[in-house]
Amino acid sequence: AQTVTQSQPEMSVQEAETVTLSCTYDTSESNYYLFWYKQPPSRQMILVIRQEAYKQQNATENRFSVNFQKAAKSFSLKISDSQLGDTAMYFCAFMKLPSLTGTASKLTFGTGTRLQVTL
Amino acid sequence: KAGVTQTPRYLIKTRGQQVTLSCSPISGHRSVSWYQQTPGQGLQFLFEYFSETQRNKGNFPGRFSGRQFSNSRSEMNVSTLELGDSALYLCASSLVGTSGVSSYNEQFFGPGTRLTVL
Repeated sequence: AQTVTQSQPEMSVQEAETVTLSCTYDTSESNYYLFWYKQPPSRQMILVIRQEAYKQQNATENRFSVNFQKAAKSFSLKISDSQLGDTAMYFCAFMKLPSLTGTASKLTFGTGTRLQVTL
Repeated sequence: KAGVTQTPRYLIKTRGQQVTLSCSPISGHRSVSWYQQTPGQGLQFLFEYFSETQRNKGNFPGRFSGRQFSNSRSEMNVSTLELGDSALYLCASSLVGTSGVSSYNEQFFGPGTRLTVL
């Protein structure tokens, strides 16, 4: 079974600053995906960024980037130039490689980090 | 293209009752997954349906069940409600690739149904 741990329940950052959210995971799988999801007060879960475990290059999406350390089973999210709209719960999630039938595998989530962006 | 829709958005029930929640996936998506979100347990996987068949199931009691229709719409049912069933229930749909090809398909989440059990 997989586990995902987010050790920072809450974080705060000033607008335009950079913040890093931490995530560690445990798995015996060799092929998998890691994700960061954002859940704003509206409760809609939104995918922020995805990392394939077989790729050594860290994923980036505009102001969002990850630091993926496969051996250490660490997957942190860096948000640059923080904006007020980044205020949300952020969940780290793990997914095994989907089966050959193409069916979606389940997501295993961490407990989340509540990020508050202040003026 | 319309996103994932869930109905109703809010629901209040009393202990012992049963409830049915509905999820309409994005057009063309054939896989629907359900998750329960509570302050105490966080986000937990309930089950996944594909082509009207349950393909994956989480660790929930038999009171939690679901089904999927031929148009990929899915329902989940909770019987004999308990106070601990109060939660946000999220469904997610994904586009399933060609059989025989293992490929990632992003899960798109709906806005959720907030269930309160009194």
